[in-house]
Amino acid sequence: QVQLQESGPGLVKPSQTLSLTCNVSGGSINNGDDYWSWIRQTPGKGLEWIGYIYYTGSTFYNPSLKSRATISLHTSKNQFSLSLNSMTAADTAVYYCVRGPTSSIEAFDIWGQGTLVTVSS
Amino acid sequence: EIMMTQSPATLSVSPGERATLSCRASQRVDSKLAWYQQTPGQPPRLLIYDASTRATGVPARFSGSGSGTEFTLTISSLQSEDFAVYYCQQYKTWPYTFGQGTKLEIK
Repeated sequence: QVQLQESGPGLVKPSQTLSLTCNVSGGSINNGDDYWSWIRQTPGKGLEWIGYIYYTGSTFYNPSLKSRATISLHTSKNQFSLSLNSMTAADTAVYYCVRGPTSSIEAFDIWGQGTLVTVSS
Repeated sequence: EIMMTQSPATLSVSPGERATLSCRASQRVDSKLAWYQQTPGQPPRLLIYDASTRATGVPARFSGSGSGTEFTLTISSLQSEDFAVYYCQQYKTWPYTFGQGTKLEIK
């Protein structure tokens, strides 16, 4: 059974860059069936899809992030990561790494537990 | 961007009764619609995809219907563990978008 686990700092200063990593266990990230996404959740805006990456390295991002997000693959470690620059208080959220869409289920079928990131000086 | 609107924001239902939750898309999404359940402190859990297909392990009391712009999630006989927040999500077009959620509470 595939499992995902986020890791990264819980506190980021305004204007800094957030870096989060998702460790994937129970299956290979390097397959042609799955996309790997980041989704965040805030009390105000709810659930927001940030973007995804495919095993080829191709990516797609939510335009709402205004090109601040970068998602990368680290296949030797079976991980993928999120970098979000120019952080502001509005980026305070729980960040989830998620499997999906997949070749069989186009929705988000497996979620990490999430990590709370607070933006504050 | 496709806007997803859920109603009601809060639904109060007694255990054992039926709950009906609605989701409306601002544009047609065909059947590219999923439902998720979230309990406090937990990530969302996929319940329904392709508008009406239950995900693995989801009890039969959960059913989804609809296509185009109008969708419904029905829980036929509410159990205590079903009181949670429910979200719909479209995956017809980028960016994928979610509804704001319906909180299902005990009456």
